[in-house]
Amino acid sequence: DAGITQSPRHKVTETGTPVTLRCHQTENHRYMYWYRQDPGHGLRLIHYSYGVKDTDKGEVSDGYSVSRSKTEDFLLTLESATSSQTSVYFCAISEVSSEKLFFGSGTQLSVL
Amino acid sequence: QKEVEQNSGPLSVPEGAIASLNCTYSDRGSQSFFWYRQYSGKSPELIMFIYSNGDKEDGRFTAQLNKASQYVSLLIRDSQPSDSATYLCAGWNNAGNMLTFGGGTRLMVKP
Repeated sequence: DAGITQSPRHKVTETGTPVTLRCHQTENHRYMYWYRQDPGHGLRLIHYSYGVKDTDKGEVSDGYSVSRSKTEDFLLTLESATSSQTSVYFCAISEVSSEKLFFGSGTQLSVL
Repeated sequence: QKEVEQNSGPLSVPEGAIASLNCTYSDRGSQSFFWYRQYSGKSPELIMFIYSNGDKEDGRFTAQLNKASQYVSLLIRDSQPSDSATYLCAGWNNAGNMLTFGGGTRLMVKP
């Protein structure tokens, strides 16, 4: 998966708990993205980063925050998980803006 | 209305036939488009991209873009059972900061 590692691969948590998902890349790409995928909604952008400490909101950012302290790592945090955040989360990277995205293997998150 | 629309399918074709997958988009400023294949339980895999009007061929795959009509299509020739998957169409928005995906079309190739 293009040198992208997501962790954990699966997580079950309880409503109200904080959760952090990690995306690690070895490609030295500038742009990193977090998407969620749900039946009936397809892939939707949560947040993206265009450099270290440079992030912006996507289409469905409420309830999520991100951080990027190093080029290779992009963290997605659910401050207080809700059942509506049960989803498959994909990290993606691209070398330049408006170009091809490559995806990680995904994290299946279940919030009970 | 979603910015990128696809028929959810399933589209069923016999082995060896041509599968035709279509996608329409609403952002006239979109310049580049991508087709991803996603097997069940797996991540999206890039199979084609197209930036200019017309056709682009790569092996059994042909991507077509018509900016005037705002549609993108993917043709798969000599379809194989291994092509059975969900195909996602995606396009960058005019600002170039968001790759928007359609909901995907499920393709089933029957032996």
